[in-house]
Parts: sequence; C-alpha cells; structure tokens
Amino acid sequence: KQEVTQIPAALSVPEGENLVLNCSFTDSAIYNLQWFRQDPGKGLTSLLLIQSSQREQTSGRLNASLDKSSGRSTLYIAASQPGDSATYLCAVTPGAQKLVFGQGTRLTINP
Amino acid sequence: DTGVSQDPRHKITKRGQNVTFRCDPISEHNRLYWYRQTLGQGPEFLTYFQNEAQLEKSRLLSDRFSAERPKGSFSTLEIQRTEQGDSAMYLCASSFSPSGVSYEQYFGPGTRLTVT
Repeated sequence: KQEVTQIPAALSVPEGENLVLNCSFTDSAIYNLQWFRQDPGKGLTSLLLIQSSQREQTSGRLNASLDKSSGRSTLYIAASQPGDSATYLCAVTPGAQKLVFGQGTRLTINP
Repeated sequence: DTGVSQDPRHKITKRGQNVTFRCDPISEHNRLYWYRQTLGQGPEFLTYFQNEAQLEKSRLLSDRFSAERPKGSFSTLEIQRTEQGDSAMYLCASSFSPSGVSYEQYFGPGTRLTVT
C-alpha cells in the first residue's frame, strides 16, 4: 500500500527566505507526482505536476524535484512572501488513477 | 473553461438525514474523482468515474454512500442516514485522461458537510 509522508508538518519562516518542503513515498512505482496548495477552508490548487520520466518541474518561484528510486520529492520556494502562507500537499498516482496524499505541511511566512 | 464547480459549498444536516452533493467538472474532462478530507489530514480517495462508468470505489465508501455520473458530465454524491463521522470536506476533481493514464487533476472548492 502506497503511503506518503510530508515533513515537517508545520514550518514558519521570515519573509524573503528560500525554503524546501519534503515529501516521501513508500512505493517507487508511480505514474506522476503532484504538488498542491490549499488555503484554509478552500479547495486544492495544483502547483506542479512531475511525470514519472521527469526529474523536475519549475513554475515561477517554485521548483519541484522527483527522485523515484529513493521515493522522494522536494518543493523549493524561492524568496518566500506572506502570500505563500498555506498548506502544501504532495500526492502520487500509484496506479494511473487516484491520488494518494500526504498530510501536508502548514507553511507560515512572517512579514 | 470555468473550472470545477461544486454545490452546495456548505451543508449542515442532522444525524440520520440524507444529503446530496453535486460536482460539475471541466467540460472536456472524461475523468471525475471524489475525495474526502477531514481536519488536519490530506484528502482520501473515495471513487472515480471514466465518462459514466464508475471504475473504482474505496473501502471508505460504505453502503450509505452512492455516486453517479449519469451522462458522463456532472456527478452526484449521496450520503444516506448521515452520521457525525461523515462531517468532512468533500472534494471533487477532474482530469483529461485520453489513454487511461491519469494526468493533472483539477479540484473544485469543496463541499463542507457538518452533521449535528
């Protein structure tokens, strides 16, 4: 059974810092990995999708990497801003259909 | 492209009542997914459709839950005889998956259910 773990559960940093969020998964046989952002009480916003054949994806200040062999992904956020405060969720697609999510990292950027 | 929409956004009901939620996916997306999220947890998969066919159901989907996608467009999720443990955010997502492989899933705003 695929399990996804995100560390840390919560992170608080001052504005302007670069930061890394971690995601690990137990079964390397995945089709893709997706990073989401969730604001309190809201739905999920897709940030980046990395297909299994890819090593990384970039969008603006965000960069996500994937190492299938070690079962790890990282989300790098450059020059953090207070508007980046949210919960970040990592999810993998083990069987080309459903997503299996981690519990998320609650990020707070302090002005 | 107006995104995935869900209705209602909030629902408060008494234990034992039936509730129904609706999801309208992005128009050209052939796959539709339902997930449930409780406070402080990541979403958990409930079921998914490819066009009008329901292809997988999680064991989380007890007999009190039923989902339909009658014409391969919108979907409904019904919970019968609600229990307090059903209180959660119910999320709908859709994707365009032409060859059976799952591509990027896009989520709606969710329906927050509170059972009193």
